[in-house]
Amino acid sequence: AQSVTQLGSHVSVSEGALVLLRCNYSSSVPPYLFWYVQYPNQGLQLLLKYTTGATLVKGINGFEAEFKKSETSFHLTKPSAHMSDAAEYFCAVQGGAGGTSYGKLTFGQGTILTVHP
Amino acid sequence: DADVTQTPRNRITKTGKRIMLECSQTKGHDRMYWYRQDPGLGLRLIYYSFDVKDINKGEISDGYSVSRQAQAKFSLSLESAIPNQTALYFCATSHTGTAQETQYFGPGTRLLVL
Repeated sequence: AQSVTQLGSHVSVSEGALVLLRCNYSSSVPPYLFWYVQYPNQGLQLLLKYTTGATLVKGINGFEAEFKKSETSFHLTKPSAHMSDAAEYFCAVQGGAGGTSYGKLTFGQGTILTVHP
Repeated sequence: DADVTQTPRNRITKTGKRIMLECSQTKGHDRMYWYRQDPGLGLRLIYYSFDVKDINKGEISDGYSVSRQAQAKFSLSLESAIPNQTALYFCATSHTGTAQETQYFGPGTRLLVL
């Protein structure tokens, strides 16, 4: 079975400050990892994903995440927050080939990011 | 036009009523999914379909059923709605290729069961 834990249901930062949203996962096979963003009253939009290769992944809107296998983590960062980054962020894991969760996404509980002026 | 559409966008119904939520996609994807979102719980998989003749239960399928009428259409039914099915429901699609295919989400249907 696979699972995702997002540390902190709410994160608040000032505009221009570093954004750090934490995600830890468990998976019995090498995972594929995703970050999605949900703006108010909208569906989910893919920010970035890790499949194989380079462990530092860059996404849209200046976000990036680093896959750390030894720590089973995939934390999302952005050097300088903007007001438009206010949204809910979801980390998700998808099982790789050979596992029972092949092709299925499991989501974390979400982190609401608030950006103060 | 949106690639993944859901109808209705909002629905209020009463306990015991049967309702259907519909999802259509123009992306040509073969895989479709239904999730529900509850505050603090993230998204949970209800049902998924890897092609027209393939339907699978997800994490929380009790009280729900689905129909894959065509490759582009995937409907979710609540046979007898109950208040704890009040939630935001999302349809998603992806394309079979490798396991890390991205899922694309519709705008959601907000359901209130009284």
